[in-house]
Amino acid sequence: GPKVLQIPSHQIIDMGQMVTLNCDPVSNHLYFYWYKQILGQQMEFLVNFYNGKVMEKSKLFKDQFSVERPDGSYFTLKIQPTALEDSAVYFCASSLTGGAYEQYFGPGTRLTVL
Amino acid sequence: AQKVTQTQTSISVMEKTTVTMDCVYETQDSSYFLFWYKQTASGEIVFLIRQDSYKKENATVGHYSLNFQKPKSSIGLIITATQIEDSAVYFCAMKDYAQGLTFGLGTRVSVFP
Repeated sequence: GPKVLQIPSHQIIDMGQMVTLNCDPVSNHLYFYWYKQILGQQMEFLVNFYNGKVMEKSKLFKDQFSVERPDGSYFTLKIQPTALEDSAVYFCASSLTGGAYEQYFGPGTRLTVL
Repeated sequence: AQKVTQTQTSISVMEKTTVTMDCVYETQDSSYFLFWYKQTASGEIVFLIRQDSYKKENATVGHYSLNFQKPKSSIGLIITATQIEDSAVYFCAMKDYAQGLTFGLGTRVSVFP
């Protein structure tokens, strides 16, 4: 099926530092998403992005979080500053359209905040 | 708010048999979409099958099929002729026309030879 790539696969940083997670969505997809999964818990929606704008965000999408996709390059999730509770696996997803269309997920980035 | 519940934490089956997984959901919306994904041991999340709430026919893709019981807010996944490589964690998810998926906790399926 369609492939979404994520870089890096694992990132370890100190609390308070900035981190950027990168996602390369499926080439013709227009909608992009970030999800967060803490070990043993449900995957939870953070944000979705379309046409250069945040369309929807959850309560988990704190003020320290931001997303962008400059000039069709990587879709990024930036956390500044990081906190211990940000440690999780972050999954990027993309879909051709919004609404009912299925989302395709990347392999995830495991973020460890020390 | 939407909620998805998968009560089975793990299921073990013999190869070539059928496995059924449960999922119940809660939503205030009259129109919504239901999905099943699997997460492999490597962490890859793979889209399997979907059911649109307005469709009465149960969706089928390959050896995956759904048991959609709308009055019970239930969307079960059935895998026939299981193979070793079907061993994974299976997630039920739903969405309305808003963009974010709501996931269940997942059911771990182990297929033994």
